[in-house]
Amino acid sequence: AQKVTQAQTEISVVEKEDVTLDCVYETRDTTYYLFWYKQPPSGELVFLIRRNSFDEQNEISGRYSWNFQKSTSSFNFTITASQVVDSAVYFCALSEAEKDSGYALNFGKGTSLLVTP
Amino acid sequence: GAGVSQSPSNKVTEKGKDVELRCDPISGHTALYWYRQSLGQGLEFLIYFQGNSAPDKSGLPSDRFSAERTGGSVSTLTIQRTQQEDSAVYLCASSLGQFQETQYFGPGTRLLVL
Repeated sequence: AQKVTQAQTEISVVEKEDVTLDCVYETRDTTYYLFWYKQPPSGELVFLIRRNSFDEQNEISGRYSWNFQKSTSSFNFTITASQVVDSAVYFCALSEAEKDSGYALNFGKGTSLLVTP
Repeated sequence: GAGVSQSPSNKVTEKGKDVELRCDPISGHTALYWYRQSLGQGLEFLIYFQGNSAPDKSGLPSDRFSAERTGGSVSTLTIQRTQQEDSAVYLCASSLGQFQETQYFGPGTRLLVL
């Protein structure tokens, strides 16, 4: 069963628009971590943020912000005033403690964001 | 310091040949993970090492796949008798240790089986 759902497959926006990428997760654990990674056209996965299940404070980093809501099992990512360099595939991931697989990441299918000038 | 490195960056092989993929984790990182990224399956977890030990190999797609890690550092993923469905990008990640530390990814090895 898919543990992380990113319902938006592709999003296209014009530069300077705000855009929100949705992520819904499923877990029975009380302790877990959520992540966002960016995969630009070059292919390397770049870490953006990690959030633990006990910290529901929203976080802002420059033009990026994240909204974590346990009540709806969502961890959404907003880019404010998007730029062409934000064009990439964005992955949401869930990490649960599993004895034999460590803290392996369960990834969503990704959302491809295209920002045009 | 240096990030996770992987070699080769690209590999083209013929069906039935064996290939070996290498991962050098970030120095001091004791946990190492292999993932595979393919169009059909997305990003899927293959295997995890804590030190040199891999507690569970059931995530490997078939018995043609094997992995090892020596000296708590470099890891190799070997695919024997490659098949076309093995074509994918193989990603390696490392993290500090047993707790839910952030995983940092290498650039991947793009494998194409003809």
